[in-house]
Amino acid sequence: ETGVTQSPTHLIKTRGQQVTLRCSSQSGHNTVSWYQQALGQGPQFIFQYYREEENGRGNFPPRFSGLQFPNYSSELNVNALELDDSALYLCASSFWGTGEQFFGPGTRLTVL
Amino acid sequence: GQNIDQPTEMTATERAIVQINCTYQTSGFNGLFWYQQHAGEAPTFLSYNVLDGLEEKGRFSSFLSRSKGYSYLLLKELQMKDSASYLCAVRSLSGGYNKLIFGAGTRLAVHP
Repeated sequence: ETGVTQSPTHLIKTRGQQVTLRCSSQSGHNTVSWYQQALGQGPQFIFQYYREEENGRGNFPPRFSGLQFPNYSSELNVNALELDDSALYLCASSFWGTGEQFFGPGTRLTVL
Repeated sequence: GQNIDQPTEMTATERAIVQINCTYQTSGFNGLFWYQQHAGEAPTFLSYNVLDGLEEKGRFSSFLSRSKGYSYLLLKELQMKDSASYLCAVRSLSGGYNKLIFGAGTRLAVHP
């Protein structure tokens, strides 16, 4: 196990709703990255947080937003959910500037 | 653009050797990772190459050629538990931060 935790494990929402996913980073890590993994695909980079600020973003619309807290934990918020948002959402923690990212177990989001 | 290619599926038998190839075209190359992912679980780190050559770690080895944009993961003495998806990911430095760009993954099935 990596020491990265995510909650909830599974979530079912309907179109148009909003969702918040949470991630606690591994002890000593100060950077959190979020990824979306659709079935049968590799993870896609959503954004990265360092020092409580977003410092990098992939090709995702503004309805995907996030926060990082002083203890380096993080939230991913998705507004106006669409069916295509159904996926496994992974967070990964790392220490700024180092290569390896440690992944949490993920949150499986289903949008009906 | 950013592009990472790896075979979709491979099959092999127990105790055999299998090589999973990955080719990439990315900007800001800053290293290449291989991750293993069992169905419904988070990716787990296998190897990291930043310089050309072979990195060996037990039954797993990874090779990188930066000039050719090519890497492979070599799995020896295959076991049934090695049945999983193997993700090739390029660490890309852009805009002052590093992000991981993943391939779609190679599903490996190991048969008795």
